[in-house]
Amino acid sequence: DGGITQSPKYLFRKEGQNVTLSCEQNLNHDAMYWYRQDPGQGLRLIYYSQIVNDFQKGDIAEGYSVSREKKESFPLTVTSAQKNPTAFYLCASSIGVAGGYNEQFFGPGTRLTVL
Amino acid sequence: EDQVTQSPEALRLQEGESSSLNCSYTVSGLRGLFWYRQDPGKGPEFLFTLYSAGEEKEKERLKATLTKKESFLHITAPKPEDSATYLCAAKTTDSWGKLQFGAGTQVVVTP
Repeated sequence: DGGITQSPKYLFRKEGQNVTLSCEQNLNHDAMYWYRQDPGQGLRLIYYSQIVNDFQKGDIAEGYSVSREKKESFPLTVTSAQKNPTAFYLCASSIGVAGGYNEQFFGPGTRLTVL
Repeated sequence: EDQVTQSPEALRLQEGESSSLNCSYTVSGLRGLFWYRQDPGKGPEFLFTLYSAGEEKEKERLKATLTKKESFLHITAPKPEDSATYLCAAKTTDSWGKLQFGAGTQVVVTP
C-alpha cells in the first residue's frame, strides 16, 4: 500500500534535548512538507521541500531543521532552540510543482511532549 | 495577508439533521480550495479540491461548493461516523506549495 509513515507516534523530550521525527513516503512524490498543529489553530507550515537536496523555510521554521537526502525521506529535527515544541507534528507530500494544483496527503502524525 | 476562516468552530447535530460548514477566504489569488477530514489523534484525510467558482463535488453524504469568497461543505443526513473535524485550506497563486489552513470545524453527530 502506498502512503506516508511517521515515527514515532508519541515522543517525549526533556528540556534542552534535540529530537528527530521521521517521515517516509512511497508515493513517488517530489514535494514534502512539515506542519505543526496546536489546539484551536490551523496547521502551520514549518519547512517544505520541492525536490531532493533542496528545502525552504515555512512560516515557523525557527528552532527546527530538516534534510532531504532521499526522495522518500524528510526528517524533522526539533532543536533545543524551539521554545514551545509541544504539539502534533504532521508530514505531508504531494506530486510536485507541475501544474501547481496538487493535493497534499498527510501521514498519521507524531505527538511531541516536552517534559 | 492571506486568511482562511472557518465557521462555526463546533457543530453538534442529531443523526439525519443536515447542515453546512463555511470556509471564507481572503487570498491574493486562489489556485485551489481543499477540504480535509481529521479524526482525533490522526492526520487529515483528503476529501475534495475545488478550483473555480461554481464548482461542486460530492462524496457520499458530503458536498463541497465554491464561490468567489467562500466554500461550503454540506453534510446531508449525517451519521455518527461523520463526526470529525473538517479543515479547509487555500492554495494561492503566489505561494508555491503552501496551503493556508483554517482552524477547522469540529462536528459531532449524535444518534
